[in-house]
Amino acid sequence: EVQLVESGGGLVKPGGSLRLACAASGFSFTSYSINWVRQAPGKGLEWVSSVSGSGSYVFYADSVKGRFTISRDNAKKSVYLQMNSLRVEDTAVYYCARAPVAGTHTHFDYWGQGSLVTVSS
Amino acid sequence: EIVLTQSPGTLSLSPGESATLFCRASQSISSSYLAWYQQKPGQAPRLLISGTSSRATGIADRFSGSGSGTEFTLTISRLEPEDFAVYYCHQYDSSSTFGQGTKVEIK
Repeated sequence: EVQLVESGGGLVKPGGSLRLACAASGFSFTSYSINWVRQAPGKGLEWVSSVSGSGSYVFYADSVKGRFTISRDNAKKSVYLQMNSLRVEDTAVYYCARAPVAGTHTHFDYWGQGSLVTVSS
Repeated sequence: EIVLTQSPGTLSLSPGESATLFCRASQSISSSYLAWYQQKPGQAPRLLISGTSSRATGIADRFSGSGSGTEFTLTISRLEPEDFAVYYCHQYDSSSTFGQGTKVEIK
């Protein structure tokens, strides 16, 4: 069974940092890209970032470029999202989602349950 | 950026009825790059349809997708109680953007 489990969310002040993790199981981890998609409270979905199966290719939405860094550890079957210079508008549930290919030309076939990040003073 | 506009915002229907959800794109999209997701309260989105009309693994055949260019449709025939949820369309032809969602509620 495909499983994606996020962790690391919490409350942080504007300008602060947080690191999210996504632990995967039940599939050939390196065969898939892993993405982060966020959903602000009561709002729709926004793609944030993608990392290829090898970890060699990374992609970011303009809204987080230069502030967020995605990475993966294939030995641990985990993906990370380092979030720096956080803003109030980054407040959202962050989902990790599996995709057949890296980058933005792909749908997301499995999703984790999400991790809430709240940026507030 | 391609903007997806979903309509209606809310659809009030009874179990057993059919639902038709619309997704309009601000510019033409390849039909290979349009997906639909279902989201229930407090849950993650679930992939229903990719490539406009290909059902995901385990998705019931009462869910069907169609469309081309800028107009796409998700049809749910014979609504079951578990189908009442919010539905999002998603284009991944030019970058990756989602519609604002259509809520299908019990009438």
